[in-house]
Order: sequence, then structure tokens, then C-alpha cells
Amino acid sequence: GAVVSQHPSRVICKSGTSVKIECRSLDFQATTMFWYRQFPKQSLMLMATSNEGSKATYEQGVEKDKFLINHASLTLSTLTVTSAHPEDSSFYICSARDRAPNTGELFFGEGSRLTVL
Amino acid sequence: QRVTQPEKLLSVFKGAPVELKCNYSYSGSPELFWYVQYSRQRLQLLLRHISRESIKGFTADLNKGETSFHLKKPFAQEEDSAMYYCALSFAGFQKLVFGTGTRLLVSP
Repeated sequence: GAVVSQHPSRVICKSGTSVKIECRSLDFQATTMFWYRQFPKQSLMLMATSNEGSKATYEQGVEKDKFLINHASLTLSTLTVTSAHPEDSSFYICSARDRAPNTGELFFGEGSRLTVL
Repeated sequence: QRVTQPEKLLSVFKGAPVELKCNYSYSGSPELFWYVQYSRQRLQLLLRHISRESIKGFTADLNKGETSFHLKKPFAQEEDSAMYYCALSFAGFQKLVFGTGTRLLVSP
């Protein structure tokens, strides 16, 4: 099956710094990638939809200046948490959909755990 | 658009029937999925309503009248223990909204 890789899997940073998380589709082209956030023992919350070559679409309540998303190619989307604070500590998961065929199935990365000290 | 999974935890014995409940609210034609996350693994698709298939013995039927998409298996196995998420896709698969998930624990 299709593989999505996230990097890094774990990151610890100091408050005020920025952190970049990469999401790559390894064996398929993804025109659309999705970024989710998961709090402990809670469901996945969709943060934004990333479309290749255009601006990301953010869900209500998600600060676009805080969570910068770039989808520069058909295989790479990045999420940058700017000026991170402890409340940004969470598990971030990306997913991608194969452009062909479009079955609606999403392929998920392994997630990135961010801890802000 | 909302997906509701009323049970956080479902604990059964091996060989017992299992039903994980999922209800949705969406005014259009829904596309529904069940995703599963085994321990220390990433989320993966279990089945989708449109394909009407049985995967690992699991089935799910879309009931538009009751707006439900419950996941069922007649005889649970220990390896079925995992976190199960019901998900609703809409806008031409542009968005996927997840339920809160149900942890299934199958004991020997």
C-alpha cells in the first residue's frame, strides 16, 4: 500500500522557538494532504487541508500564522509551529490521498510528538 | 458534520460478538469509513461503506434512516484489540472528520 512518512517522530523544543514537521508521500503523488492534531485519549482534530501549489485551508479556530503549512510539491507538505508554547505540545499527524485513483482512502503518517518546554 | 462514537471502551471476551457504534450527522450523501489503529502502529483504513466488503471478519452497513454505520464482527479475536475510528468524508473526499474513537479490548 501507499506509504506516508513523517519526520521527526519526536521533537522537544524550547518555548518561543519554531519547529518544522515534514510529511512525505513515498510512492504516490498527493495533491492533497491533511494535518491533524491529537490530544491524549482524544480523537483526531483536523487542523488544515494542504493543497499542492496553493494556500492551505484552515479549520475554524486554527491560527494560520501559528501553524504554517506549505505544500510545495506533490510528495511533500510541511507544518511549521511558530513561536511554540507549551500548549502546542501535542501529537501531530499528517495524511495524504493518492491523486489516482481517488478512492477517498487516506494514508497516514506515523505522527510527530511535539513537546514544548 | 459530526461523527459520534458513544463508547470509549468496549471490552469483550474472545469469540464474543462485537458491535462498535457510529452515528453521523450530514445533510448530503455521506462517505463513511472505519479506520483502525493497532498498538504502536499508524492509522489505517479498515473498510469503507461504498465497497461493501468484509475485512478481517468486520462488516459495516450504512443505515441512512438511522444515520448509523456500526462496525460488527460475529466472533472477536484477541488481535482485534485496537482503537477504532469512524470517519465521515464529504466535499468530494476533500475532508475527513473523525469520531472520538472506541478502544476495543478482546480478552482471552
